[in-house]
Amino acid sequence: SQKIEQNSEALNIQEGKTATLTCNYTNYSPAYLQWYRQDPGRGPVFLLLIRENEKEKRKERLKVTFDTTLKQSLFHITASQPADSATYLCALDAAGGTSYGKLTFGQGTILTVHP
Amino acid sequence: DAGVIQSPRHEVTEMGQEVTLRCKPISGHNSLFWYRQTMMRGLELLIYFNNNVPIDDSGMPEDRFSAKMPNASFSTLKIQPSEPRDSAVYFCASSARGSGTGELFFGEGSRLTVL
Repeated sequence: SQKIEQNSEALNIQEGKTATLTCNYTNYSPAYLQWYRQDPGRGPVFLLLIRENEKEKRKERLKVTFDTTLKQSLFHITASQPADSATYLCALDAAGGTSYGKLTFGQGTILTVHP
Repeated sequence: DAGVIQSPRHEVTEMGQEVTLRCKPISGHNSLFWYRQTMMRGLELLIYFNNNVPIDDSGMPEDRFSAKMPNASFSTLKIQPSEPRDSAVYFCASSARGSGTGELFFGEGSRLTVL
């Protein structure tokens, strides 16, 4: 069966360190993968998209990698700040690239950055 | 742009009552999605529309759920009759198909409690 797993429910790190979140999937062949941030009581907000033919994508302090052989994406936040505390969701293209937006989401990882 | 607008933000109703959730997508976006989020199941795609036409409703849990998009600027999700297990946060999201990123823009959600 298809499954998306994010490495842990919660991740606690100290300010200034790099946070690394993991997203593993099985029985999908996604054309792309996205990462979203969700704050309590709010809707998810798009952060980054990485396509199947891309190994790495960066945006400011964020970096995403995508390994289609391992069926894994890593999401890094460097020089983390308390304001980065939120739930981070990975989302897979569930339609094999045929239809943008049919995303299947992981359960999310709650990141807490301690001052 | 005001973003995706959902109403009501909170709804408390009794079992058996009809519930109607509303969504106004971002102007110019041609794809609209309804998601449901619970602690147990995370974010689940219920149905999505492209150019006001339902494309995939395989996520709609049962016949009690229905969704319409009469025009490009309005969609409804109706539950009739409602049951306690329908309690969740319902999100509407829109995207511009062909944007190149497939980024979903989410509303703030409608929190439904069925007593």
